[in-house]
Formats: sequence, C-alpha cells, structure tokens
Amino acid sequence: GESVGLHLPTLSVQEGDNSIINCAYSNSASDYFIWYKQESGKGPQFIIDIRSNMDKRQGQRVTVLLNKTVKHLSLQIAATQPGDSAVYFCAVQNQAGTALIFGKGTTLSVSS
Amino acid sequence: NAGVTQTPKFRILKIGQSMTLQCTQDMNHNYMYWYRQDPGMGLKLIYYSVGAGITDKGEVPNGYNVSRSTTEDFPLRLELAAPSQTSVYFCASSYSNVGQGYGYTFGSGTRLTVV
Repeated sequence: GESVGLHLPTLSVQEGDNSIINCAYSNSASDYFIWYKQESGKGPQFIIDIRSNMDKRQGQRVTVLLNKTVKHLSLQIAATQPGDSAVYFCAVQNQAGTALIFGKGTTLSVSS
Repeated sequence: NAGVTQTPKFRILKIGQSMTLQCTQDMNHNYMYWYRQDPGMGLKLIYYSVGAGITDKGEVPNGYNVSRSTTEDFPLRLELAAPSQTSVYFCASSYSNVGQGYGYTFGSGTRLTVV
C-alpha cells in the first residue's frame, strides 16, 4: 500500500543552525505534498506545501524541496530558533486524491 | 473564526462504554476528516466526508462510525470502547480535496484513554 517514510525520528540542532528534515514517499503519482508542525498538546499546523510541477518552494525561513525521481521530500529551516522545537510531519496526497497520508514525524529539538 | 473545534479535550472511558467525539468547523469547508495519532506514530485516517450526507472509510475504520448531517459537524462515534482505541483523535477540514491542492486545518485534538 501507499506509505510515507521517515529518515530520522529525532534531530537536535543548535540555535542559529540550519535544519533539514527528510521524508520519502512510495506513490510516484502523488501530486501534492505538505509539511506540518505539531507542538506539544496541539493539532498539526500547516507550514508549507508544494505540488509535483515544482521542485522547490520557499516561505519565511522554510524551504521545501521535492525530488520526484527518488520520491523524496525535505524541509529546510533556516536559522533555527527554540520556537521551532516541535514534531514535523510530511503528508502526501493518497492515490485516490481524497486524503493525506502522514509520515511518523521528526522531533526537532533546538538548544540555545 | 474559531476554525475547527473539538470536544471534549480529554476523556477516560471504561471498556465497553460508548461516546461521541464532536467536531465542528465554521469555515464552510466541504471536506472533513478524522485521524488518530498513537504515540510516536503518524496520523492514521479513520473516516472522511466530502460533503453533507457523504462519508467514506479511511485506513483504520473498525470500531468507529461517523455521520455528516450538516456541512459544519462531523461527529465520530465509538460504540464499544476497547483499550486499542486509546489515542489522540484529530478532526480536520479542507475547502476541497487534497488532489486540488487544498491542505487541512486541524482541531486541537481529543485525548481518549480506555481502561
């Protein structure tokens, strides 16, 4: 079946470093990809999305890169801050296009 | 706007009891979803709805039921609670389907423990 995998369950960085969180997906026909941030005790919050006709998209301090050849997605956070500490999930459109499939999440810890 | 509102925030159920998790949204979104999140895991889709009167099963529907009588409300029903249903439940909504590039707005979750 469809799956969304994870490269590292945890990532620890120093304040000011750049962070890179990776994700892999199985369905080559997936067209839409999203990164969510989940803080403790809260629901996931939208960070940035990208469609399959793009390979890069930038937001404020965040960049999403999509490599469709190897079915890989990454989230880059520039100048990471303590407030960025959270669990980050990638989500991929399912084959039917009706819902999102989520990865297990990467816990980002930022120390000052 | 309140967004997506879930009630209750916490609940402890005994095995075999039933309950309804409430979810309402005020964004006039057509699509609504229920996910469960187990510790250290991603979110698993339980049920979803593409509009009032239409519901469909997701990846893990067993033990749950849903209804969608209005655009705003999408309650999730547990009929005979089991310890395996201990989880955090998230409701989400979107304007249209993800295939058209619409992401979700999530509620803050309901933490359910079955003992």
